[in-house]
Amino acid sequence: GIQVEQSPPDLILQEGANSTLRCNFSDSVNNLQWFHQNPWGQLINLFYIPSGTKQNGRLSATTVATERYSLLYISSSQTTDSGVYFCAVLTGANSKLTFGKGITLSVRP
Amino acid sequence: GAGVSQSPSNKVTEKGKDVELRCDPISGHTALYWYRQSLGQGLEFLIYFQGNSAPDKSGLPSDRFSAERTGGSVSTLTIQRTQQEDSAVYLCASSLAGGITQYFGPGTRLTVL
Repeated sequence: GIQVEQSPPDLILQEGANSTLRCNFSDSVNNLQWFHQNPWGQLINLFYIPSGTKQNGRLSATTVATERYSLLYISSSQTTDSGVYFCAVLTGANSKLTFGKGITLSVRP
Repeated sequence: GAGVSQSPSNKVTEKGKDVELRCDPISGHTALYWYRQSLGQGLEFLIYFQGNSAPDKSGLPSDRFSAERTGGSVSTLTIQRTQQEDSAVYLCASSLAGGITQYFGPGTRLTVL
């Protein structure tokens, strides 16, 4: 099946810093979603982005489907951005999401 | 409107007992998914329901696991004869149709003693 790799596995930032989180996938995808899992375990949708670029406030994401990667940008990070960021992809006719292992982000005040 | 809801939020059970986990999807969503999140395995797909079609059960880890979706809405995930390795957070998600944005519930944390 498709492989989803996220990097770096862990990231520590000082509040106000910018960061880039990467997601590589091994095959063509129909759907790619970025999630933030907060400290209470809730998975929060950030972006549905099978291709192109989207922005939402301090967050933006770019997926280059032909090169099989997606990037999540966080600007002017805040302590509330801490948590685990997951990339998940969907391929073919199968509607299940295949998740990466996540990137643990800690933003220090 | 309301998001995906799950109950109970926490469940502690003894090895060998059966448990039922409930999911209420977002109203109007025809697709419903169950996933499991555990320390060793990350987030894994379990089962997918789409309308009145036969469910995709390809992710269920054993025949002790089963799920139903009644009336195209509420779903119940049943684990029979629970084992310690079943301890995990069970997450439910729904979407308007298969293949598009999935919205997740808060999960049920299952602990098997």
